[in-house]
Amino acid sequence: DGGITQSPKYLFRKEGQNVTLSCEQNLNHDAMYWYRQDPGQGLRLIYYSQIVNDFQKGDIAEGYSVSREKKESFPLTVTSAQKNPTAFYLCASSLKDGGGNGYTFGSGTRLTVV
Amino acid sequence: GDSVTQMEGPVTLSEEAFLTINCTYTATGYPSLFWYVQYPGEGLQLLLKATKADDKGSNKGFEATYRKETTSFHLEKGSVQVSDSAVYFCALNTGFQKLVFGTGTRLLVSP
Repeated sequence: DGGITQSPKYLFRKEGQNVTLSCEQNLNHDAMYWYRQDPGQGLRLIYYSQIVNDFQKGDIAEGYSVSREKKESFPLTVTSAQKNPTAFYLCASSLKDGGGNGYTFGSGTRLTVV
Repeated sequence: GDSVTQMEGPVTLSEEAFLTINCTYTATGYPSLFWYVQYPGEGLQLLLKATKADDKGSNKGFEATYRKETTSFHLEKGSVQVSDSAVYFCALNTGFQKLVFGTGTRLLVSP
């Protein structure tokens, strides 16, 4: 079945360490997105990519980095510069229309920094 | 810019009660409208959508009608179940733009 896979589901890291969250899709979608969700809050866009080897900052890109070397993959690195990285991270993908047919979401990665 | 406004939660209901979650929008052009549902600890799932005025989206007993005159897309269900407890997000998309999400409304259904 086609879908979008995020791994791992839970991730624990020490403060000051960089950590990379994986996102892979086999839907042949062109666009991919990373969101952050804090408890009881809505979604905030971190980065998005509409085509391979290209990506744009979202509303809260500081302290994060991404790459898009393959159409299927859009990993997110949470760097030590991110002041408050503990959160639930959601990856999504869509057709090239930017979401006119809706997004498909992964099941999320819960990152806890201790 | 485009925006979505949802009613604040939590919405607390007893099982078999009628549900309405309000959603209004501001958009240039003619957006597509969506409702997503997020169960605890999971990602968002597309619940239903409507792409033009007067369209009704429906799925799993939920319905929403695209009302251009009132710029609304309210989510309704005739009889909620405990398993419907989740966070519901309204969203819109105009042309080749990113989805714009509302802040989400938490629904709590008690037996």
